[in-house]
Amino acid sequence: QKEVEQDPGPLSVPEGAIVSLNCTYSNSAFQYFMWYRQYSRKGPELLMYTYSSGNKEDGRFTAQVDKSSKYISLFIRDSQPSDSATYLCAMSGDYKLSFGAGTTVTVRA
Amino acid sequence: ETGVTQSPTHLIKTRGQQVTLRCSSQSGHNTVSWYQQALGQGPQFIFQYYREEENGRGNFPPRFSGLQFPNYSSELNVNALELDDSALYLCASSPGTVTDTQYFGPGTRLTVL
Repeated sequence: QKEVEQDPGPLSVPEGAIVSLNCTYSNSAFQYFMWYRQYSRKGPELLMYTYSSGNKEDGRFTAQVDKSSKYISLFIRDSQPSDSATYLCAMSGDYKLSFGAGTTVTVRA
Repeated sequence: ETGVTQSPTHLIKTRGQQVTLRCSSQSGHNTVSWYQQALGQGPQFIFQYYREEENGRGNFPPRFSGLQFPNYSSELNVNALELDDSALYLCASSPGTVTDTQYFGPGTRLTVL
């Protein structure tokens, strides 16, 4: 069993829709949770960073962490074609990041 | 832009050869981490350096080695290349270690033939 599980998709939505992404994990030591966006052949770009359980909102993006269920989510409201990318969840309890496999999202104009 | 640069962009090597990849961190960032990202997968942690000392290592063999220099640059060296080493190699820099956000460079795509 992988430490971090993420459905690779692909996920295709119409412009303006809400995109819902999620990851589950097995390591109880994880305390820091991140979402990265990665465009094709580019490095990951940090979108959201949260510590412990709760919600965090930044513009059209909302990150949720439920440590009791070992489940994290990212919601993208009013999705745009420019949001088309691979979204990676990542988490950490120490010095290294553990990533999910990434979900490829396409927003259709 | 994260301010993290990597060179070269692309590289083609043959099995058994050795390769050196380079990274330049953001000024003031004392920590650099290296990750391997195979096609269709998430990045896998290789190792981390803090103030020029190895601070932690993932499940990679000793033929993967690194160096960090005082001028915020670092290297990843891979000896005896294997076909499975073909991947995107990412470096990430951060100010400290545990809680700090890691900022990624654009990566070096290595192809081993």
